[in-house]
Amino acid sequence: QKEVEQDPGPLSVPEGAIVSLNCTYSNSAFQYFMWYRQYSRKGPELLMYTYSSGNKEDGRFTAQVDKSSKYISLFIRDSQPSDSATYLCAMSVGGANNLFFGTGTRLTVIP
Amino acid sequence: DTGVSQDPRHKITKRGQNVTFRCDPISEHNRLYWYRQTLGQGPEFLTYFQNEAQLEKSRLLSDRFSAERPKGSFSTLEIQRTEQGDSAMYLCASSLGAGGFPGNTIYFGEGSWLTVV
Repeated sequence: QKEVEQDPGPLSVPEGAIVSLNCTYSNSAFQYFMWYRQYSRKGPELLMYTYSSGNKEDGRFTAQVDKSSKYISLFIRDSQPSDSATYLCAMSVGGANNLFFGTGTRLTVIP
Repeated sequence: DTGVSQDPRHKITKRGQNVTFRCDPISEHNRLYWYRQTLGQGPEFLTYFQNEAQLEKSRLLSDRFSAERPKGSFSTLEIQRTEQGDSAMYLCASSLGAGGFPGNTIYFGEGSWLTVV
């Protein structure tokens, strides 16, 4: 069993839809949670960063962490075609230097 | 461009040949990481450096792989006697301090694609 599980999709939504992306994890020591966006044949770029449980909002993006359920989510409101990419969740243990990634969910927003 | 730079971006090599990738991190970043990503998978940690010291290696980093960061600036990742299973994107990343802590964002490069034929 992988430490981080993520539905690979693919996920197709119409422009303007609300998108929900999720990851589950098994290691209760994870404290830092991130969402990266990766366009085709490019490196990942950091979208959102959260520490411990709670919500964080940045523009059209909201990240949620539920440590009791070992479950994290990323919501994208008013999705745009430019949001079409692979979304990777990542997490780390406090003080560690390696990130554990999910497999990524491929999202397509249809105009 | 002041981001993480990787070279070459693409490499096709025959099985058994050696290949070397170079990474130039963001200039003030003292931590440098190598990850490997195969199609349909997320990046997997290989190794990291703090300045010139290689402080952690994943079990994925077999004896055929060696990474260096001789002066604490750029880094190289060499793969000897390449195998078809080495075909992947090799990602370099850097951060100012311990990645994972607030403010120490890990920034990734564009990756170096390796195809072993």
